[in-house]
Amino acid sequence: SAVISQKPSRDICQRGTSLTIQCQVDSQVTMMFWYRQQPGQSLTLIATANQGSEATYESGFVIDKFPISRPNLTFSTLTVSNMSPEDSSIYLCSVMDRDVGGYTFGSGTRLTVV
Amino acid sequence: GIQVEQSPPDLILQEGANSTLRCNFSDSVNNLQWFHQNPWGQLINLFYIPSGTKQNGRLSATTVATERYSLLYISSSQTTDSGVYFCAVVMWGSQGNLIFGKGTKLSVKP
Repeated sequence: SAVISQKPSRDICQRGTSLTIQCQVDSQVTMMFWYRQQPGQSLTLIATANQGSEATYESGFVIDKFPISRPNLTFSTLTVSNMSPEDSSIYLCSVMDRDVGGYTFGSGTRLTVV
Repeated sequence: GIQVEQSPPDLILQEGANSTLRCNFSDSVNNLQWFHQNPWGQLINLFYIPSGTKQNGRLSATTVATERYSLLYISSSQTTDSGVYFCAVVMWGSQGNLIFGKGTKLSVKP
């Protein structure tokens, strides 16, 4: 099955700064998905990242706040920009795993903004 | 959009007890998965089960796609089963992203 390395695993950041989260997959994938999980809540899709094209953002998420890069078929980054305490969440990346069916997730980045 | 409803929202069990978690969805889906999120936030894939029945040790799952529901069975629960269980689906014709239910928070007491 696909293995996703996500980092950092956690971080505490000052408001107004930015944090870049990285996801590396051990196989080539067409699409990568980025999710946010606010405290005590379920997961919400932020955007879908295809290699070679602009990411597609869900309602309520904008590129200026959550810029995404997808330079190749195994790697993607999500940046949380100009952070505020409301951005404190777990951020997860995901890919479709054809070996086992369904989707596999990275281990998540637990972000706290102070 | 599609609605994914999980029940119960919270469940407290004594170690060794059995439980059934339910997921209802409001539209046809081409993918359904059950996940366990551990206390550290990691999301573990339990079952990929768009239809039929699967078993893995003490856990089993059944999806009846025509009636738009899925069930997750946990037998002989252990304290390590504690955490949040999520059901997630992919709609037909979508870009392929998962839509999550709100989860069932399970606490297993020793």
